[in-house]
Amino acid sequence: KQEVTQIPAALSVPEGENLVLNCSFTDSAIYNLQWFRQDPGKGLTSLLLIQSSQREQTSGRLNASLDKSSGRSTLYIAASQPGDSATYLCAVGRNSKLTFGKGITLSVRP
Amino acid sequence: GAVVSQHPSWVICKSGTSVKIECRSLDFQATTMFWYRQFPKQSLMLMATSNEGSKATYEQGVEKDKFLINHASLTLSTLTVTSAHPEDSSFYICSARPGSHTGELFFGEGSRLTVL
Repeated sequence: KQEVTQIPAALSVPEGENLVLNCSFTDSAIYNLQWFRQDPGKGLTSLLLIQSSQREQTSGRLNASLDKSSGRSTLYIAASQPGDSATYLCAVGRNSKLTFGKGITLSVRP
Repeated sequence: GAVVSQHPSWVICKSGTSVKIECRSLDFQATTMFWYRQFPKQSLMLMATSNEGSKATYEQGVEKDKFLINHASLTLSTLTVTSAHPEDSSFYICSARPGSHTGELFFGEGSRLTVL
């Protein structure tokens, strides 16, 4: 059974800092990995999708990497801003289904 | 990105009543939609896969007679929580993807259900 772990559960950083959010998964037989952002009481916004054959994807200040063999992914956020404060979830996909981690709640202090 | 819409965004009901939540793909057709449930500070748990024109596939431990899913068209899936109880109070989120099964998954805004 696939398990997805995101540690730490919460993170607080000052504005402007570059930061890395980690995600690990137990079964490397995945089709893809997707990072999402969730604001309190809201649905999920897709940030980046990495196919299993890819190593990384970039969108603006965000960069996500994937190392299937070690079961790890990282989400890099450059020059963090208060508006980046949210919960970030990673999810691994197989057989059209996603398995989610519990998320990392990020707070960026002005 | 593609847009998935859910309605209602929040609902309060009495124990024993039924509640219907709608999920629509606004700018693409979805033969498959997914229903998730999220408890506070927990990850999303897949409840069922909704298949257009056929029966939904439920995950282990999810009661199909309690959580009725109907996917009558390529843009609409509904989840009906029947005979709701307070323990059914949760955040329900649907998702869908345009294109292949390895493509990007898009989520609705979620529906907060509170059962009194």
